[in-house]
Amino acid sequence: KQEVTQIPAALSVPEGENLVLNCSFTDSAIYNLQWFRQDPGKGLTSLLLIQSSQREQTSGRLNASLDKSSGRSTLYIAASQPGDSATYLCAVHAAGNKLTFGGGTRVLVKP
Amino acid sequence: EPEVTQTPSHQVTQMGQEVILRCVPISNHLYFYWYRQILGQKVEFLVSFYNNEISEKSEIFDDQFSVERPDGSNFTLKIRSTKLEDSAMYFCASSVGGGAYGYTFGSGTRLTVV
Repeated sequence: KQEVTQIPAALSVPEGENLVLNCSFTDSAIYNLQWFRQDPGKGLTSLLLIQSSQREQTSGRLNASLDKSSGRSTLYIAASQPGDSATYLCAVHAAGNKLTFGGGTRVLVKP
Repeated sequence: EPEVTQTPSHQVTQMGQEVILRCVPISNHLYFYWYRQILGQKVEFLVSFYNNEISEKSEIFDDQFSVERPDGSNFTLKIRSTKLEDSAMYFCASSVGGGAYGYTFGSGTRLTVV
């Protein structure tokens, strides 16, 4: 059974610092991995999708890497801003037509 | 950008009552899903739906849950007799190719059972 873990559970940084969020999964037989942002009490906004054949994906200040063989993905957010404060979730699409989510990393960027 | 729309955003119901949560998936998507997130816990898969039938369901999705696509645009989740532990945020999602190109989620319905 696929298990997805995100470390750390919470992170607080001063504005301008780079953020590094980690995601690990137990079964490397995945189709893709998706990073989401969740604001308190709100829905899930897709940030990046990495296919299993890709090593990384970039969008603006966001960069996500994938090492399928070791079961890891990392989301980098450059030059953090207070507006980046949110919970970041990674989710793996493996066997079956469904996502398995990690518990999230709650990020606070202090002005 | 196309969106998945969910209504209502918040519903309060009494224990034992039936509730129907509604979703309008993205129009050219063929696969539809329900997930839930109990406060402070992970987002959990409930059910996937394709070609007018359930394609996969989790052990959470027992006989008190049902899904339906009553017309060409809506996708609903019915909970027959709500329990306190059904209180959660329920997310609808859709995908164009069974997740090969990612999933798009709605903004959720917060269900509170009292």
